[in-house]
Amino acid sequence: GQQVMQIPQYQHVQEGEDFTTYCNSSTTLSNIQWYKQRPGGHPVFLIQLVKSGEVKKQKRLTFQFGEAKKNSSLHITATQTTDVGTYFCAAPAYGGSQGNLIFGKGTKLSVKP
Amino acid sequence: NAGVTQTPKFQVLKTGQSMTLQCAQDMNHNSMYWYRQDPGMGLRLIYYSASEGTTDKGEVPNGYNVSRLNKREFSLRLESAAPSQTSVYFCATYRFAGGVNEQFFGPGTRLTVL
Repeated sequence: GQQVMQIPQYQHVQEGEDFTTYCNSSTTLSNIQWYKQRPGGHPVFLIQLVKSGEVKKQKRLTFQFGEAKKNSSLHITATQTTDVGTYFCAAPAYGGSQGNLIFGKGTKLSVKP
Repeated sequence: NAGVTQTPKFQVLKTGQSMTLQCAQDMNHNSMYWYRQDPGMGLRLIYYSASEGTTDKGEVPNGYNVSRLNKREFSLRLESAAPSQTSVYFCATYRFAGGVNEQFFGPGTRLTVL
């Protein structure tokens, strides 16, 4: 079935270091979304990428969509303890209703002060 | 606005017991979803409802039933709970606005089946 592969599964960084998580699909995606889940919390929408090669920034977070629209990345510059959580990418599910998503397994980020 | 609410927040069941997880939204969204989240497995779709009066199976529907009671409410029922159903359950809604697809999640129900 349709899958969205996300790596790494875990990342431990020192505060101030950079962090990147990658998301890959075997098929071309119409769009990709990123969500953040704080420890003990629920996923919260961060951003959607639609265009080939698109780059969007939110303060220290940079999101990229690959030229072939099969991969995406989230890069955090100079991590802070507030960045702790699990980051998920999500892509539209083929054959399902509009709005149905397939989620990657997430990258759990821990930040050591 | 409360957004998406779920009850209960925590629940412990014994094997074979039944229970219903409740979800309600005040955002007037048509689509609603039930996910389960297990360590290292991400979010897996159990059932969804594209609109009031319709429900469909997701990736992992076995052992669950759902009811879309009205536009606001979407409940998930475990008829005979099993330890494999120990998980965190999230309800979500969907909105497409301004070209952006976005899901909104409730706070979750943490279920343990002994």
